[in-house]
Amino acid sequence: AQSVTQPDIHITVSEGASLELRCNYSYGATPYLFWYVQSPGQGLQLLLKYFSGDTLVQGIKGFEAEFKRSQSSFNLRKPSVHWSDAAEYFCAVGAKSGANNLFFGTGTRLTVIP
Amino acid sequence: DTAVSQTPKYLVTQMGNDKSIKCEQNLGHDTMYWYKQDSKKFLKIMFSYNNKELIINETVPNRFSPKSPDKAHLNLHINSLELGDSAVYFCASSQDPTSGSTDTQYFGPGTRLTVL
Repeated sequence: AQSVTQPDIHITVSEGASLELRCNYSYGATPYLFWYVQSPGQGLQLLLKYFSGDTLVQGIKGFEAEFKRSQSSFNLRKPSVHWSDAAEYFCAVGAKSGANNLFFGTGTRLTVIP
Repeated sequence: DTAVSQTPKYLVTQMGNDKSIKCEQNLGHDTMYWYKQDSKKFLKIMFSYNNKELIINETVPNRFSPKSPDKAHLNLHINSLELGDSAVYFCASSQDPTSGSTDTQYFGPGTRLTVL
């Protein structure tokens, strides 16, 4: 069965510092992986996705993520965090079953301090 | 123009009532979804429709019934509301997944349902 684990419930970083949010998945075949961001009171916005090819994917707002099959991970990174990045971040894995079912992690809340 | 829209944004109602949440997408997508986000922010799929046909129906009470009048709309009707139904409900859409690929899902802003 598919599952996604985000080990960090809450992370606090200083503005300008680097960021890495962890995501581990469990899936029996080639995973389709996504990172979404949810700002307070808002819907989910796609940051980036991995379907195939280059394992380092670039997204919007200066985010990137690296797919590591050997570690079953898809960690999200940003070299320099901005105060506006404070939000909830969700990692998700897509099931290639013809049903397009997305399984989400429990999210990581990012707080940015001045 | 909003790609995926939901109405209402907030819904407060009493236990036992029947309510509906509407969703519309103007992306020309073939597939639409409903997700439930609980108080701990956990997101779980409830339903998926492709071209007005149900293709996913996770384990949700039959008090929840999705209705798709056309492929641009997927409404969620809930009968006999219970306290545990309080959550944020998200609508999403994507291209046709039945080709065997997983396409990107685009989400609406959510509807916060509070059952008193």
